[in-house]
Amino acid sequence: EADIYQTPRYLVIGTGKKITLECSQTMGHDKMYWYQQDPGMELHLIHYSYGVNSTEKGDLSSESTVSRIRTEHFPLTLESARPSHTSQYLCASSRGTATDTQYFGPGTRLTVL
Amino acid sequence: KNEVEQSPQNLTAQEGEFITINCSYSVGISALHWLQQHPGGGIVSLFMLSSGKKKHGRLIATINIQEKHSSLHITASHPRDSAVYICAVPNSGGSNYKLTFGKGTLLTVNP
Repeated sequence: EADIYQTPRYLVIGTGKKITLECSQTMGHDKMYWYQQDPGMELHLIHYSYGVNSTEKGDLSSESTVSRIRTEHFPLTLESARPSHTSQYLCASSRGTATDTQYFGPGTRLTVL
Repeated sequence: KNEVEQSPQNLTAQEGEFITINCSYSVGISALHWLQQHPGGGIVSLFMLSSGKKKHGRLIATINIQEKHSSLHITASHPRDSAVYICAVPNSGGSNYKLTFGKGTLLTVNP
């Protein structure tokens, strides 16, 4: 059982609101990831962190921002939500690189009206 | 960037049947991941393999590095195996942390 948590699980919000999606892991992993997944589509990396105070943008351009102030915590923020941000957001962590197992959180399903 | 193709996209089976899901990729890799995603979205890592074969319960994963191909087999399939199965490989181009994911295979096992 992976010790990685996401809140909220579901969020319905109006256009223009600021939102923060929370992700925490208790495994002490240095590497953390945010993925975006639309229904029936593949996962796309939107943010990556390889340690405290180190973050990078992923392959898929995103208007969201992330921070990594503590090893266990990797929140994602949208300053002004839009309907185009409607999607599922999955957080993951791993001990090492792309050849190490990634552990996924349960996901946050975001709907922006 | 590594391209990942999975087949079939959708698969319906009767309980007890032997299942095979295929994954092909375009650029040589050091390891390949098989993941399972249940309705509701949670993803579980099933296997990470770099050569040969791995087995866990009724699940078997094989990889042929030369042919750039991997298969996931499920023996004696059960309705609880119904899920999306995803293949992922390390991205090419120098990145040592990015994965490229296939679109997934939706498996439905009927009782």
